[in-house]
Amino acid sequence: EAQVTQNPRYLITVTGKKLTVTCSQNMNHEYMSWYRQDPGLGLRQIYYSMNVEVTDKGDVPEGYKVSRKEKRNFPLILESPSPNQTSLYFCAKGNIYYEQYFGPGTRLTVT
Amino acid sequence: RKEVEQDPGPFNVPEGATVAFNCTYSNSASQSFFWYRQDCRKEPKLLMSVYSSGNEDGRFTAQLNRASQYISLLIRDSKLSDSATYLCVVNARSSGSARQLTFGSGTQLTVLP
Repeated sequence: EAQVTQNPRYLITVTGKKLTVTCSQNMNHEYMSWYRQDPGLGLRQIYYSMNVEVTDKGDVPEGYKVSRKEKRNFPLILESPSPNQTSLYFCAKGNIYYEQYFGPGTRLTVT
Repeated sequence: RKEVEQDPGPFNVPEGATVAFNCTYSNSASQSFFWYRQDCRKEPKLLMSVYSSGNEDGRFTAQLNRASQYISLLIRDSKLSDSATYLCVVNARSSGSARQLTFGSGTQLTVLP
């Protein structure tokens, strides 16, 4: 079964305190990506990765960093979180031409 | 103009009704099209891909009209369990070299008993 795990699932933090949301997949997919979902704006891509050490910006990359040192992990890093990064975050893996499998989501609140 | 536009709804329909959603996309170079389903506060899941010739999966039918740049989803004999948000997704080449998936904001459906 295709699986994507994210941790933590819920996080409340303060402005400026660095945080990392982890994402792991179990099926050796090359393509992984991060999205944020906000009311009325839908899912917007933050970063994506076509393979190990290959990452690129999506539509809303400002304020985020990612790394892809190994195929199964694709962490999302917020070096200095701000309140406008309060959102629901999804990690996904798969093939951009076919099905994407999403993780369960991380609900982040930055105060 | 948004790259992928959907009527946000909500659509409230009685059980057994037929309901149709449309979605328009702006990039004529788009190549792949999908409908995803998202239950409240859960992750999106692929409902079906949309092929040029149209395709059907049980009570669900998807159509693509490239000339008018829209895709549609028809749900027949709707069930209470069909209540969810339906996301239109388009794969197109972005300003960079790689292709990206662009999601619509979703159409909310509630099926009433």
